[in-house]
Amino acid sequence: AQSVAQPEDQVNVAEGNPLTVKCTYSVSGNPYLFWYVQYPNRGLQFLLKYITGDNLVKGSYGFEAEFNKSQTSFHLKKPSALVSDSALYFCAVRRGRNTGFQKLVFGTGTRLLVSP
Amino acid sequence: DAGITQSPRYKITETGRQVTLMCHQTWSHSYMFWYRQDLGHGLRLIYYSAAADITDKGEVPDGYVVSRSKTENFPLTLESATRSQTSVYFCASSEGLTGEGGLAKNIQYFGAGTRLSVL
Repeated sequence: AQSVAQPEDQVNVAEGNPLTVKCTYSVSGNPYLFWYVQYPNRGLQFLLKYITGDNLVKGSYGFEAEFNKSQTSFHLKKPSALVSDSALYFCAVRRGRNTGFQKLVFGTGTRLLVSP
Repeated sequence: DAGITQSPRYKITETGRQVTLMCHQTWSHSYMFWYRQDLGHGLRLIYYSAAADITDKGEVPDGYVVSRSKTENFPLTLESATRSQTSVYFCASSEGLTGEGGLAKNIQYFGAGTRLSVL
């Protein structure tokens, strides 16, 4: 069965500094990987995904993530954090099969707090 | 308005009562999902639907019932609410879940959630 680990409950970073939110996964076969962000009292919003191709994926709001197959990781990064990036971030994985339903499995979330 | 909407946004009920959470999407997406969000668990899939009249269990289906008579609606019913069902419930939809040829179809779009308290 697939699983996702987000080892940090919270990440604190000062505005203007680079940020990294960590994610490791476990899945049989090729993974489809996703990052979602949740702002207070809102649903999850899609940020970016890795399906195939370039290991560095660029997404919304200046975020990017690097797929590392050998380390089974898909860390979310941003070169310069903004206070408005403060939110709850979820990593998710599904099996990359072409047929049949493959459920999306979410991590427990990492709260990002960007201080002014 | 286009998108996916959930109602009510907040609900307080008592144990043993039946509660129905509504979900409506305007994109004609084939797939719809119900998740619950609990501290320490992230999001867990309750039920999903691949099309009208096709539903299947997810990870935590016990105590819940779903139906999908129309593509755009996917209500979730708690037949006899329990305190353990206190949670935030999210509905989501997706165009499809095909493989690499349908890259955009793998994205799920979420409603704003329903916060349910069972007393």
